[in-house]
Amino acid sequence: NAGVTQTPKFQVLKTGQSMTLQCAQDMNHEYMSWYRQDPGMGLRLIHYSVGAGITDQGEVPNGYNVSRSTTEDFPLRLLSAAPSQTSVYFCASSYGEGRYEQYFGPGTRLTVT
Amino acid sequence: KNEVEQSPQNLTAQEGEFITINCSYSVGISALHWLQQHPGGGIVSLFMLSSGKKKHGRLIATINIQEKHSSLHITASHPRDSAVYICAAPRLLYSGGGADGLTFGKGTHLIIQP
Repeated sequence: NAGVTQTPKFQVLKTGQSMTLQCAQDMNHEYMSWYRQDPGMGLRLIHYSVGAGITDQGEVPNGYNVSRSTTEDFPLRLLSAAPSQTSVYFCASSYGEGRYEQYFGPGTRLTVT
Repeated sequence: KNEVEQSPQNLTAQEGEFITINCSYSVGISALHWLQQHPGGGIVSLFMLSSGKKKHGRLIATINIQEKHSSLHITASHPRDSAVYICAAPRLLYSGGGADGLTFGKGTHLIIQP
């Protein structure tokens, strides 16, 4: 099993550009989530999904969009990149929400100039 | 909302020392997570525990539900243990349940010197 995969590993964007961060898992997990990690802040929840077709906002959703058309994939879209979105992004999956073991992807380091 | 506090923020120790990292949280929870992140690396789940103690090799995690406190111990520490250790608790939507994702502590940066 590949576990949780994320692409790309690194990305540089200019302010105003849009892009999609890809996340996929092959463990048949219903629950998937996106976090961002910033120095001194800890990880913060952006969006999450409890199954195909169901998504909801987390702690810091502004500027991001998600969809979940399949159990395996949970892409994160940046609609109009801003320097404040410079961060490391982690995707995670599990059998359920926070009371189940979480499996994290390797992360995407995004820089917005 | 569950608040998670970790201490210390930074810890430097000599190889072989016994290490303790502490975590406290504000709202009663059903499980607490300990995670490890190496520099520039991904995040790995070490433990998920809801009561008592768990042990994996030289790592031991304990939790006291009544005191809302957990500790991560490393025995016979080694330079390869150098990493950021993060505790996390379910991010409760409302009292009585309904968690979505995790709330994370800010991490403890551990350096083990040879």
